[in-house]
Amino acid sequence: DTGVSQDPRHKITKRGQNVTFRCDPISEHNRLYWYRQTLGQGPEFLTYFQNEAQLEKSRLLSDRFSAERPKGSFSTLEIQRTEQGDSAMYLCASSSLGPTDTQYFGPGTRLTVL
Amino acid sequence: DAKTTQPPSMDCAEGRAANLPCNHSTISGNEYVYWYRQIHSQGPQYIIHGLKNNETNEMASLIITEDRKSSTLILPHATLRDTAVYYCIVKRDGGFKTIFGAGTRLFVKA
Repeated sequence: DTGVSQDPRHKITKRGQNVTFRCDPISEHNRLYWYRQTLGQGPEFLTYFQNEAQLEKSRLLSDRFSAERPKGSFSTLEIQRTEQGDSAMYLCASSSLGPTDTQYFGPGTRLTVL
Repeated sequence: DAKTTQPPSMDCAEGRAANLPCNHSTISGNEYVYWYRQIHSQGPQYIIHGLKNNETNEMASLIITEDRKSSTLILPHATLRDTAVYYCIVKRDGGFKTIFGAGTRLFVKA
């Protein structure tokens, strides 16, 4: 399967701990996105990479959140000092450069902060 | 990017066509209409997109009105596996930020 993959699929942590999620996009895709989704809501945009450059960050992305895409391939999203309000599904998507932007999503990482 | 309005939920009988409406009355000339769906606990799945003309692929058909202020996603023969939340999104040419609304929860019933 050559789709977007995310690891881990589930993460349970205690408040105050740091967590890191990984996303592997479709191999030829230059663009990579992170979204967050809480129960009953649609996904909310967090940040966007074109190759290794982080070009856009949402105001939802507080200082405790950091995302990287060091070699323009996989990406990591780290949350420091987790809070209960961080509990959500974290989704990664990728797309190729072009006139339209069809994003393909991974299965998501479900984070539960106790 | 223009906003979209969708009904919160719809029912459809298995084997019948599911017609999901979307209003996007403020759409601009360079904005595309995209449809995604999300089956429970999975990531959103791309279905189809279009600019002006009607589009069809193996999953669905997209009918866009001539004034482009509304569109309809058609699943020609709905199955139980089509039960999901369907999102209609409008996004400008070259735009990268996908803004999801609440979508339409489609229930396909046997």
